[in-house]
Amino acid sequence: KNQVEQSPQSLIILEGKNCTLQCNYTVSPFSNLRWYKQDTGRGPVSLTIMTFSENTKSNGRYTATLDADTKQSSLHITASQLSDSASYICVVRDDILTGGGNKLTFGTGTQLKVEL
Amino acid sequence: DAGVIQSPRHEVTEMGQEVTLRCKPISGHNSLFWYRQTMMRGLELLIYFNNNVPIDDSGMPEDRFSAKMPNASFSTLKIQPSEPRDSAVYFCASRSVGDNSPLHFGNGTRLTVT
Repeated sequence: KNQVEQSPQSLIILEGKNCTLQCNYTVSPFSNLRWYKQDTGRGPVSLTIMTFSENTKSNGRYTATLDADTKQSSLHITASQLSDSASYICVVRDDILTGGGNKLTFGTGTQLKVEL
Repeated sequence: DAGVIQSPRHEVTEMGQEVTLRCKPISGHNSLFWYRQTMMRGLELLIYFNNNVPIDDSGMPEDRFSAKMPNASFSTLKIQPSEPRDSAVYFCASRSVGDNSPLHFGNGTRLTVT
C-alpha cells in the first residue's frame, strides 16, 4: 500500500530560526512530490513540486529536497516568521504513464508553530 | 480569479438531517475533487470528476454520501442521513489539465453533526 509518512508530527521554533521537515514515502511508481502549506481555517496551498529528476527546488525561504533513491524529501524553512505557523503536508503522485492511476497519497502533515 | 469557492463555511446539524455542501471550481479547470480532513486521518479523497464525469468514487464512505457535478462550474456533496462520525472539514479542490498541475483548494466547510 502506498504510504507517506511525515515527521515530526509537530514542531515549535523561535522566530528567525531555521527548521527542516521530513517526508518518507513508499509510493511506486513515482511521478512527483509536492509540499503544501495549510494555514488554520484555510485550504492547502502548493509551495513546491519536484519530479523524479529534480533534487532541490526553492520558493523564497522554502527549499525542498528530494532523494528518489531513498524515497525521502525534506522541506527546509529559513529565517522563520510568525506567518510560517501552519501545517505542512507532503503529497506524492504516482506515475499515470505506467498505470499507476493518477493517485495522490497525502501525508498527515507537520504542525509548525513559530513563536516570538 | 476568486479561487475555489465553497459554501457554507460552517454547518451544524443534528444526526439524521440531510447536509448539502457546495463548490464552485476555478473557471477553466477540468478536474474537481472532494476531500475530507480529520485530525486522525488527514486528507482523504472522497470522489473526483473529470470534465463533469465522476471518475473515482471509491473513497465515498457509504451510500449516505453522494456527489454531483451538473456543469463545469458547480458541484455538490450530499450526506443523507448525517451521523456524528461525519463531523470533519470537507474540502473541494480543482485542477487544470497537466500532470504537474497543483490542486487549488477552497477554504473548506466545517461540518459538525450532533
